[in-house]
Amino acid sequence: QVQLQESGPGLVKPSETLSLTCTVSGGSISTYYWSWIRQPPGKGLEWIGYIYYTGSTNYNPSLKSRVTISVDTSKNQFSLILSSVTAADTAVYYCARGGGYGSGPNYWGHGTLVTVSS
Amino acid sequence: QSVLTQPASVSGSPGQSITISCTGTSSDVGSYNLVSWYQQHPGKAPKFMIYEGSKRPSGVSNRFSGSKSGNTASLTISGLQAEDEADYYCCSYAGNNTLVFGGGTKVTVL
Repeated sequence: QVQLQESGPGLVKPSETLSLTCTVSGGSISTYYWSWIRQPPGKGLEWIGYIYYTGSTNYNPSLKSRVTISVDTSKNQFSLILSSVTAADTAVYYCARGGGYGSGPNYWGHGTLVTVSS
Repeated sequence: QSVLTQPASVSGSPGQSITISCTGTSSDVGSYNLVSWYQQHPGKAPKFMIYEGSKRPSGVSNRFSGSKSGNTASLTISGLQAEDEADYYCCSYAGNNTLVFGGGTKVTVL
């Protein structure tokens, strides 16, 4: 069974860059689409974007100018970079398998809380 | 790209059936049979319950069913159980290789 684990700093200063990595185990990353989704405390889910193992990406238009998703097939990992963060970017960030072909992601990581604060 | 509209809360007694609506537009829910549904218990990651509008992944109870009419998708939970108390989210393909989630619905078992 595929498992996903997010990792990265839990605290980021305003105007700086948020960087997270998702490590995939129990299967190869070299198939499927891979997504990032976030959830501000007490609020709903927001799709950030997804990447295909070939490196092809698609992003939420509202975040597109600040988001980069990349993949490292040699490490079975994919990553999220979100620049110029503000307090509004404070959220639990989830990585997940799927999102391409119009289908919602099926396997999710446990999520990691990132707080934006000075 | 707007958030899909879901009722903030729905409640029912054990054994009853409830339905959660997810209203979008002709650009998302209405144009594609690509709505997914998720169940999320407090402090946990979302669980994939329904895909392509009405299909259930392996291991999901047949008490959960999905449907669509026009720009509105629906999730029905039959034979409501205490363990069904959770937040539920819909997610739809929105064209141009993008996805959009609903605002979420809190289900309370009375």
